[in-house]
Amino acid sequence: KAGVTQTPRYLIKTRGQQVTLSCSPISGHRSVSWYQQTPGQGLQFLFEYFSETQRNKGNFPGRFSGRQFSNSRSEMNVSTLELGDSALYLCASSFSGDPATDTQYFGPGTRLTVL
Amino acid sequence: DQQVKQNSPSLSVQEGRISILNCDYTNSMFDYFLWYKKYPAEGPTFLISISSIKDKNEDGRFTVFLNKSAKHLSLHIVPSQPGDSAVYFCAASNYGGSQGNLIFGKGTKLSVKP
Repeated sequence: KAGVTQTPRYLIKTRGQQVTLSCSPISGHRSVSWYQQTPGQGLQFLFEYFSETQRNKGNFPGRFSGRQFSNSRSEMNVSTLELGDSALYLCASSFSGDPATDTQYFGPGTRLTVL
Repeated sequence: DQQVKQNSPSLSVQEGRISILNCDYTNSMFDYFLWYKKYPAEGPTFLISISSIKDKNEDGRFTVFLNKSAKHLSLHIVPSQPGDSAVYFCAASNYGGSQGNLIFGKGTKLSVKP
């Protein structure tokens, strides 16, 4: 079974631009969560989608948004990029999104650098 | 305010010895705890978990202990192997609460020396 895939793996953008990252979950998984990893803050939850609906959102500004398609693939978008948005963006998928019953499987991440 | 804390950024252990990684949490609503391992250039990989109704869970060389009164959990790796060298993240969630939302600590980098 193929794992979680994320594209692109690396991205360089300049301040003020916008960026779209993509995540393809494991086949059959309907929940997709996004996390931001930075050296100072560790992994922080961005949002979670299930069956095309955002069910949960972390404490990030509105510049961070996402969506999920009918095939469970998900995209996240960051508008008006800031230097502090430089981070590793990780996507995780599971059947139901409940960590107590379903393991979250992570993709390799997209490394975003904002210059 | 950090709800899950891993106070040791790094740990160095000799091969064959025990590695003990610690994690503290502040939110008493957490009822499920997980450990993930992360190698460079890869996403985190699930290692082991424990429900708040238990105080110990074992899986091969890995054992997680939970002390609810102290809001503390630890991961024991016995015996440690060089391939265990990675960053270990402690994570927590509350059942029936926020879906798809794990609260992570900042990680502990484990180095196992041959």
